[in-house]
Order: sequence, then structure tokens, then C-alpha cells
Amino acid sequence: QVQLQESGPGLVKPSETLSLTCTVSGGSIRGYFWSWIRQTPGKGLEWIGFVHSTGNTDYNPSLRSRVSLSLDTSNNHFSLRLISVTAADTAVYFCARHYNSGSFPLDYWGQGTLVTVSS
Amino acid sequence: DIVMTQSPLSLPVTPGEPASISCRSSQSLLRSNGNNYLDWYLQKPGRSPQLLIHLGSNRASGVPDRFSGSGSGTDFTLKISRVEAEDVGVYYCMQAQQSPRTFGQGTKLEIK
Repeated sequence: QVQLQESGPGLVKPSETLSLTCTVSGGSIRGYFWSWIRQTPGKGLEWIGFVHSTGNTDYNPSLRSRVSLSLDTSNNHFSLRLISVTAADTAVYFCARHYNSGSFPLDYWGQGTLVTVSS
Repeated sequence: DIVMTQSPLSLPVTPGEPASISCRSSQSLLRSNGNNYLDWYLQKPGRSPQLLIHLGSNRASGVPDRFSGSGSGTDFTLKISRVEAEDVGVYYCMQAQQSPRTFGQGTKLEIK
């Protein structure tokens, strides 16, 4: 069974960089698209972007100037980097895998990790 | 961006009764291949979202057959034929027609 686990600091200062890693177990990271999604009480669920094992990426235009995703096939994990954070970036961040067919839905999700942006 | 609008936002249901959630998109989710690029997710309390339905009407692996998805174009419906206590949570539709993927606001199903 594929499992995803987010890790990273739970507290980030304003203007600094948020960095999270999603470790995949029970399956290979190769050959799939992998996304980050965040959730806030005010904006609900927001798709941040995806990275494919080939290195292909796509980002939400609302975050494109500040976000980058990368993937490490050797260690079976992928990462999110969000620069210049503000309080508006406070959210629960989820990583998820895209099923490899059809609408490429998000079939496996991590448990989520709360990141608070505060001084 | 495609705007997804769900209704109702709150849905109290008696166990054993049916339930229906509507999802409307600001643009058509129907592609020339005949598929609608619309997925449904359920987020149970304290949990991450889980996939229920993809391509508008295809149940994901392990999803009970009391869940069904229908609709085409811009109007979609998720139906639960007989609600059970374990179905409580927030239901989201998400469009996969174009980037960025966008979600509905969510419909909170609760047991009466």
C-alpha cells in the first residue's frame, strides 16, 4: 500500500522560505505525477502544483512566482519550496499522488502537516 | 481559473436516507473524448481527503456502490443511496479539465 508522509518545520517566519518534503513508501515515485495541496479555513483546498518523475512541473499561477517543486528518485521523495511567505501561507499542506489514467485523480494523500507563518 | 460551486454547503441526513450534492463549474468539463474531468473527494473529520469518484462517474477502488456520480458539461451530482454514519465529513468536487485544478467549497454532511 502506497503511503505518503509530509515532513518539515511547523513554524516559519514571515518573509522566509517554507520547505516541505513528502516521503513515499510502498511504491516507486517513478512514473507518476505528485502534487502539493494546501487547506485553509478561509480558502478551502488549493492546488499548489505537481511534479512528475521526469522533472516536468506545473504550478498554480497564483503561486508560480514563489513556488518550486522537485523530486528525488533515489530517495523516493519530492519537495515543496515556497519563498517569501506571509501569514496567508499558513495552512495544512498535503502531498498526494496522481492516479495514472483518466483525469489523473489524487488517489493517495499524506496525512497533512500544519505550517504556521508567524514571527 | 474554473470556478467550482457546490450546494448545499450543509447537508443533515437521517441514516438510511438518500443524499445528493450538486457541483457546478464555470466552464465545461467535457472533453472531445466524451469524458468529464470531474472528481469527488470525501474528507472525513481529522483526515485527509480520499478519492471517491473520478471522471464524473467512476467509483474509485474500494468505494461502496451506494456512492454514485453523474452529470456532464457544467452540472454534476454526487448521490449516496443510503447514508451511513461513516459517511459524515466534507465532500469536495474538483475539476481536472485545466490547470490550475480547482475545488468546490465543500459540502458538510452530518447525521441528524
